[in-house]
Amino acid sequence: GAVVSQHPSWVICKSGTSVKIECRSLDFQATTMFWYRQFPKQSLMLMATSNEGSKATYEQGVEKDKFLINHASLTLSTLTVTSAHPEDSSFYICSARDGGQVYSNQPQHFGDGTRLSIL
Amino acid sequence: GENVEQHPSTLSVQEGDSAVIKCTYSDSASNYFPWYKQELGKGPQLIIDIRSNVGEKKDQRIAVTLNKTAKHFSLHITETQPEDSAVYFCAASRSQAGTALIFGKGTTLSVSS
Repeated sequence: GAVVSQHPSWVICKSGTSVKIECRSLDFQATTMFWYRQFPKQSLMLMATSNEGSKATYEQGVEKDKFLINHASLTLSTLTVTSAHPEDSSFYICSARDGGQVYSNQPQHFGDGTRLSIL
Repeated sequence: GENVEQHPSTLSVQEGDSAVIKCTYSDSASNYFPWYKQELGKGPQLIIDIRSNVGEKKDQRIAVTLNKTAKHFSLHITETQPEDSAVYFCAASRSQAGTALIFGKGTTLSVSS
């Protein structure tokens, strides 16, 4: 089945550091990938929709200069948390759907997430 | 935009009992409703999904029902086992490839032996 790989799985870094998270679709191409954020014991909140070859679409309240998204190929999207602070600590999860057509019957598959801890 | 409500937030059952989780959605244009299981420290895993052109779908011990008129859908797990313990999320979206899923708040299911 479709596999989404996310790397790294866990990051601890100092405040002010920028952190890059990679999301790859391993056996399919994904025109669109999605980035979610999840706080402990809470639901997944959509941060942005990543579109291959174009700018990402951010949800209301998400700072695009803080969370830089690059979707340079049909199998890779990256999320960079710039100048991270403790309040950015969270579980970040990406997802992708197989299919480049407007109407896709393929389900979304999720990576295993990246736990980001900013000291 | 879409809003998904999920109940209950926690559910405790004895092994072998059935578990039912219910969700409602607000966007009448939504036509795809997946259910995900999330274990601690992992990403969500798709367990079953249903589209608006059917009212029920089954896969072994898991079933999902959909009432489009009332805009609600439910997950049914029969003969629960301890390994079913996890957080379950419902979601809704339109079926276009670039449309994100909107999730409910999750249900923590605990199955005791």
